Amino acid sequence: KAGVTQTPRYLIKTRGQQVTLSCSPISGHRSVSWYQQTPGQGLQFLFEYFSETQRNKGNFPGRFSGRQFSNSRSEMNVSTLELGDSALYLCASNQGQGRPTGEKLFFGSGTQLSVL
Amino acid sequence: GDSVTQMEGPVTLSEEAFLTINCTYTATGYPSLFWYVQYPGEGLQLLLKATKADDKGSNKGFEATYRKETTSFHLEKGSVQVSDSAVYFCALSDVGFQKLVFGTGTRLLVSP
Repeated sequence: KAGVTQTPRYLIKTRGQQVTLSCSPISGHRSVSWYQQTPGQGLQFLFEYFSETQRNKGNFPGRFSGRQFSNSRSEMNVSTLELGDSALYLCASNQGQGRPTGEKLFFGSGTQLSVL
Repeated sequence: GDSVTQMEGPVTLSEEAFLTINCTYTATGYPSLFWYVQYPGEGLQLLLKATKADDKGSNKGFEATYRKETTSFHLEKGSVQVSDSAVYFCALSDVGFQKLVFGTGTRLLVSP
């Protein structure tokens, strides 16, 4: 069974640009969560989608947005990039219909975004 | 809000040394607690978990005990290997399991 797939693996952008990251969950998983990982802050929760609906959202500015498609694939978008947006963005898919508890969460390898 | 505090790294050990990585938490209610491991270039993998006070989670020689009185969940291993070199994250699930709250991670470096 394929794991969580994130593309692209690396991205380099400049300030002011926008970027779209993609995440394909494990087959059959309908919940997708996004996290931002930085050396100083660790992992910060961005949002969670279930069956194409945003079910939960973290404390990030409106420049960060996401969506989920009918096949459960998810994208997140960051507009007007800032230097501080440089981070590893991790996606995780969750088994079942419940909330994304730790033991049912499976992470992708992430997209490393560098903003210059 | 809920939070997790981990010891700063890196932790540098020789093979077969004893490992402790400290983790304390602040939470409303009684969250479930987790340790995740991230190997270079990979995503996070669940290492072990504990769902209530005094529970001991264990996996691959690693152990952690849920201590409600000290709000701690320290990770231990009796004899580390080079292959254990990775970043370790302590995490809790907030009330209602809305999401995971992570610590900042502790890098472990094990030399032969």
